[in-house]
Amino acid sequence: DTGVSQDPRHKITKRGQNVTFRCDPISEHNRLYWYRQTLGQGPEFLTYFQNEAQLEKSRLLSDRFSAERPKGSFSTLEIQRTEQGDSAMYLCASSLAWDSGGNTEAFFGQGTRLTVV
Amino acid sequence: TQLLEQSPQFLSIQEGENLTVYCNSSSVFSSLQWYRQEPGEGPVLLVTVVTGGEVKKLKRLTFQFGDARKDSSLHITAAQPGDTGLYLCAGDDRGSTLGRLYFGRGTQLTVWP
Repeated sequence: DTGVSQDPRHKITKRGQNVTFRCDPISEHNRLYWYRQTLGQGPEFLTYFQNEAQLEKSRLLSDRFSAERPKGSFSTLEIQRTEQGDSAMYLCASSLAWDSGGNTEAFFGQGTRLTVV
Repeated sequence: TQLLEQSPQFLSIQEGENLTVYCNSSSVFSSLQWYRQEPGEGPVLLVTVVTGGEVKKLKRLTFQFGDARKDSSLHITAAQPGDTGLYLCAGDDRGSTLGRLYFGRGTQLTVWP
């Protein structure tokens, strides 16, 4: 399978606990995006990387959220001291950067559904 | 501020009807992508439009990119229950220094048998 892979698919955690999600992008893609989606809404941008550099962070990404892409391949998104409002689907997508000369279409993983109880 | 506005937000129709959903912006995009998302799954790419005025067809789905590359539409002919889902548009902003993807909030389509 050469698509975007996210792990875990589902996570239930108690308020105040830390959680970490992983995303493995399509191997030749140098851009990786994290989005958050709540029921009935479109994806809200959180952050994105080009290779290992984190180029932009949304103001939605409070200091309890941190994302890394240490070797420019897989990425992790950590949420510390989870709150009930963090309950959402966390989506990862990958694409080529436009200056790579290729198609910039973004492909999504199946998401991680987080429930904070 | 939502860079891409999608309308309508909700659409509920009977099988066999035609429909059009819209994606509008005041910004120019290098390309625009349409996705469909089913509950509990990630969005799945349907099509990318690149050239102003471009029309692409995917079976019963027709996608159009506005001449000024600021807006797009998706027309579905003879809708079927299997078309039910959240339709999302996303714009690729190469003109900015960051050039990231911007998403609309989506149109939730329900097709009743």
